[in-house]
Amino acid sequence: SAVISQKPSRDICQRGTSLTIQCQVDSQVTMMFWYRQQPGQSLTLIATANQGSEATYESGFVIDKFPISRPNLTFSTLTVSNMSPEDSSIYLCSVEDRSEETQYFGPGTRLLVL
Amino acid sequence: GQSLEQPSEVTAVEGAIVQINCTYQTSGFYGLSWYQQHDGGAPTFLSYNALDGLEETGRFSSFLSRSDSYGYLLLQELQMKDSASYFCAGGASGYSTLTFGKGTMLLVSP
Repeated sequence: SAVISQKPSRDICQRGTSLTIQCQVDSQVTMMFWYRQQPGQSLTLIATANQGSEATYESGFVIDKFPISRPNLTFSTLTVSNMSPEDSSIYLCSVEDRSEETQYFGPGTRLLVL
Repeated sequence: GQSLEQPSEVTAVEGAIVQINCTYQTSGFYGLSWYQQHDGGAPTFLSYNALDGLEETGRFSSFLSRSDSYGYLLLQELQMKDSASYFCAGGASGYSTLTFGKGTMLLVSP
């Protein structure tokens, strides 16, 4: 199984600012995923990030608001831009494991926007 | 589009057996995954059904019937630590882009 870390673990931000969340995995993976989970709610996929190509965004999410970088096979960042209180959520990265037919999730970043 | 329906909450007592159902409407969907999430924690993988039938892993079993667009997670010999949210998720595979159900909160009481 993969070991995934995220930074920061939590943050409180002012509206209008931006926050970049880092996701580091201990092995090389092709696909990494970014999800949003509001308290008590389900996980919603924001985008899929493959190394060396543009991220693929799901309906309702755009690159200007959630730019993603994937510079190598073990690292990705998600930026939440021009934040509003509605962006308060938990942001989770995950990685694929094809041999286990599963995804492994990082611990999440809890974001509160005031 | 894809949508997965599961009950919002299930309650049970220690030692009991509980079944969490998941029905879905999807296109391009070939398997069903189950994840457990404790409050404040990350989702952790429980099982994946790529084929119809029952998969057993210890106290947990998962079932899939693609002809009925239906699956379930069966938890046996419930323990207090099983109190958590359980999500079914569908996709083209267990590791590709997943659509999650809204989650079922399981409350296990003494």
